[in-house]
Amino acid sequence: AQKITQTQPGMFVQEKEAVTLDCTYDTSDPSYGLFWYKQPSSGEMIFLIYQGSYDQQNATEGRYSLNFQKARKSANLVISASQLGDSAMYFCAMRGSNAGKSTFGDGTTLTVKP
Amino acid sequence: SAVISQKPSRDICQRGTSLTIQCQVDSQVTMMFWYRQQPGQSLTLIATANQGSEATYESGFVIDKFPISRPNLTFSTLTVSNMSPEDSSIYLCSVETRGGPSDTQYFGPGTRLTVL
Repeated sequence: AQKITQTQPGMFVQEKEAVTLDCTYDTSDPSYGLFWYKQPSSGEMIFLIYQGSYDQQNATEGRYSLNFQKARKSANLVISASQLGDSAMYFCAMRGSNAGKSTFGDGTTLTVKP
Repeated sequence: SAVISQKPSRDICQRGTSLTIQCQVDSQVTMMFWYRQQPGQSLTLIATANQGSEATYESGFVIDKFPISRPNLTFSTLTVSNMSPEDSSIYLCSVETRGGPSDTQYFGPGTRLTVL
């Protein structure tokens, strides 16, 4: 079975500062993918970044980077230079070799303060 | 990637009625999924919509309550039947294009349902 744990129900960050959102996972699959999604108050789920279990380098997408520590089973999302528009719920998710099923964490609500 | 649209975007319904939500994708996809997200909570998978066969439901969800159709590789519907206030949620359609652990799931904009 797969499990995703996000231990931070809510986070605050000052505009223009960096913030790290935590995600730990558990799986027995040797091959898996880790994903982060952003959900603004409008409700849509926006894909942000992907990390494969065999990737040697941490994934980056613009202001988003993924701090992947395989031995610790963690996949933290780092947002640099926070903007007011980054205020949203953020979900960490995982997919294994069990085709089609993603497991989602409980989410972290990020609030960016001006 | 895939562009996904959902109709309606929101609705307010009376207890005991049914609502059908449509999901349209701009390209053929291998798998389509339906999720429910209750207020303040994470996503819960309702079922996987299979083209040409019955949907595969997750534990706690049944076909009589959530009938699903998938007539082709770009379209699916989810019906929420005999609604109660507990069905008030965001319903999200999601797709994958290739399959496998590296394939990103993309989501539609969601249908925000309120049941009175």
